[in-house]
Amino acid sequence: DIQMTQSPSSVSASVGDRVTITCRASQGISSWLAWYQQKPGEAPKLLIYAASSLQSGVPSRFSGSGSGTDFTLTISSLQPEDFATYYCQQAKSFPITFGQGTRLEIK
Amino acid sequence: QLQLQESGPGLVKPSETLSLTCTVSGGSISSSNYYWAWIRKPPGKGLEWIGSIYSSGSTYYNPSLKSRVTISVDTSKNQFSLKLSSVTAADTAVYYCARRADTSGWAFDPWGQGTLVTVSS
Repeated sequence: DIQMTQSPSSVSASVGDRVTITCRASQGISSWLAWYQQKPGEAPKLLIYAASSLQSGVPSRFSGSGSGTDFTLTISSLQPEDFATYYCQQAKSFPITFGQGTRLEIK
Repeated sequence: QLQLQESGPGLVKPSETLSLTCTVSGGSISSSNYYWAWIRKPPGKGLEWIGSIYSSGSTYYNPSLKSRVTISVDTSKNQFSLKLSSVTAADTAVYYCARRADTSGWAFDPWGQGTLVTVSS
């Protein structure tokens, strides 16, 4: 199985800050990586697929990069609605696996 | 626009079988090159992939659950289903259905709103 490790597990930031979340795969997954945002009581929402492709309707302040084993999700200027939990997920092979999540909190 | 909706009992007794259905609207479940998936989120924990069924009918299960899971499709009702046998309290979670498509790098999108299933006597 491919293990996905996110860091940090939680981060505190202020509106307007730039935030970066990292995700590391235990083996190479090329660009088969997705990022999701989840708010309490809601289903996860796809933000980024194929490591760097922005899903339709997602604000351009979200961006993704990386390939192989190391990936990043960057939010360029935090907005109040961005405080949530973020998950990475590898789409290369079964079993599909997710990172443990990064909780983004208001400072 | 494609929409998914989970349905099923919110309370299941230990050792019994959890059964959920996902109804797909706004598109055909028979369309080619899609996976239909179940994912769950236990309280206070992260997301766990349960399994997927491809448009060809092939199934793929999480090895940690494989002995207890069955996913099937009913094309006449545009639905797919999850059965999880011999449940315990550890199976208490919000269960989501979702689609994977090559047009989104095989990521999960869209998702159903989720349904909470509690395992308790």
